[in-house]
Amino acid sequence: SQTIHQWPATLVQPVGSPLSLECTVEGTSNPNLYWYRQAAGRGLQLLFYSVGIGQISSEVPQNLSASRPQDRQFILSSKKLLLSDSGFYLCAWSSDEQFFGPGTRLTVL
Amino acid sequence: DAKTTQPNSMESNEEEPVHLPCNHSTISGTDYIHWYRQLPSQGPEYVIHGLTSNVNNRMASLAIAEDRKSSTLILHRATLRDAAVYYCSTSYGKLTFGQGTILTVHP
Repeated sequence: SQTIHQWPATLVQPVGSPLSLECTVEGTSNPNLYWYRQAAGRGLQLLFYSVGIGQISSEVPQNLSASRPQDRQFILSSKKLLLSDSGFYLCAWSSDEQFFGPGTRLTVL
Repeated sequence: DAKTTQPNSMESNEEEPVHLPCNHSTISGTDYIHWYRQLPSQGPEYVIHGLTSNVNNRMASLAIAEDRKSSTLILHRATLRDAAVYYCSTSYGKLTFGQGTILTVHP
């Protein structure tokens, strides 16, 4: 069966600090991978998606970047966090439907 | 991606059916209709999806209007564990969720 992992589960970071969130998928090969953000009280916003190693598409201009160094690894990064980067970050992979990870709650202070 | 419109909230009593509506009047002919639900501090969970015909699975039923401009998620017997935010989306792959419907289930 397929499993998707995200870490850390929660993170509190100061403004201006770097960020690295990691997502790994088990039990599937060459999945489409996605990073979403969910701000408090708002819907889900797609940030990045990837159809293969090294292939990243950005949906929204922002202070974040993504990388896919391995087939089942997807990383979300920032060089300098902003207050507006706070939110619930979700990684997902898809076959016919999308399967979401447990999420990372990021608070930027 | 077609925009979806859902009521902000709905309430139900346990063991009663719940009909959650979604309007997607700008859906394209090839877009599927997807439903997900989300519990607090968890990732969204797939519920059901369909294209034109009504669909049933172990979690719910999906009724799709003939013109595909709206759909209804049907929970046949609501339980307390069904209390969640329900999202519909008509995009594929790159999901976009609006505010969703907060479903409250009363014992």
